[in-house]
Amino acid sequence: DAKTTQPPSMDCAEGRAANLPCNHSTISGNEYVYWYRQIHSQGPQYIIHGLKNNETNEMASLIITEDRKSSTLILPHATLRDTAVYYCIVLGGNEKLTFGTGTRLTIIP
Amino acid sequence: ETGVTQSPTHLIKTRGQQVTLRCSSQSGHNTVSWYQQALGQGPQFIFQYYREEENGRGNFPPRFSGLQFPNYSSELNVNALELDDSALYLCASSFGRGRNNEQFFGPGTRLTVL
Repeated sequence: DAKTTQPPSMDCAEGRAANLPCNHSTISGNEYVYWYRQIHSQGPQYIIHGLKNNETNEMASLIITEDRKSSTLILPHATLRDTAVYYCIVLGGNEKLTFGTGTRLTIIP
Repeated sequence: ETGVTQSPTHLIKTRGQQVTLRCSSQSGHNTVSWYQQALGQGPQFIFQYYREEENGRGNFPPRFSGLQFPNYSSELNVNALELDDSALYLCASSFGRGRNNEQFFGPGTRLTVL
């Protein structure tokens, strides 16, 4: 599976858009980019996934660069409940989610 | 709420004992994956079951075993417990196999081995 690189931590003001970057320069053409988040001691929560097109759902938007070597998760209007660890994962042929250390996002009131 | 449930929520065992953890998948899902999350780390893949057959295994010893039942619920069994087995155990369900299937996680079972 392709390795991902994320900043260890980020802050964002409440009400602003939170933009979380992820690098996955070794991604293969048929590997998907998944985003999950985990609020303290709870199970990870699925957010969004995509292959090469930008995706949007009720929670977030996923922007994937044209060369697919990086992506950005956008939470359009961050709230205090969005404080969590966010994981960017590249899902390969073995279909197992390989979690790294993620980005700890803190929403500041 | 994902519709994935796990039992028990907490469990305390002593070294050398055996434990069984249970997972009920979301309605309509036929694939269950198990993960171990040690304190301060991301979840680590243990194994996956698809339609009652093991479909991939992570780097865990054979004393970690599992089952999936005809109703697609699942069990994780750990024999000869070690102190390092203390962790949050998570199950996730999905519909079918493949890379375009999101996995939905349960709340986890916190196992403490003394």
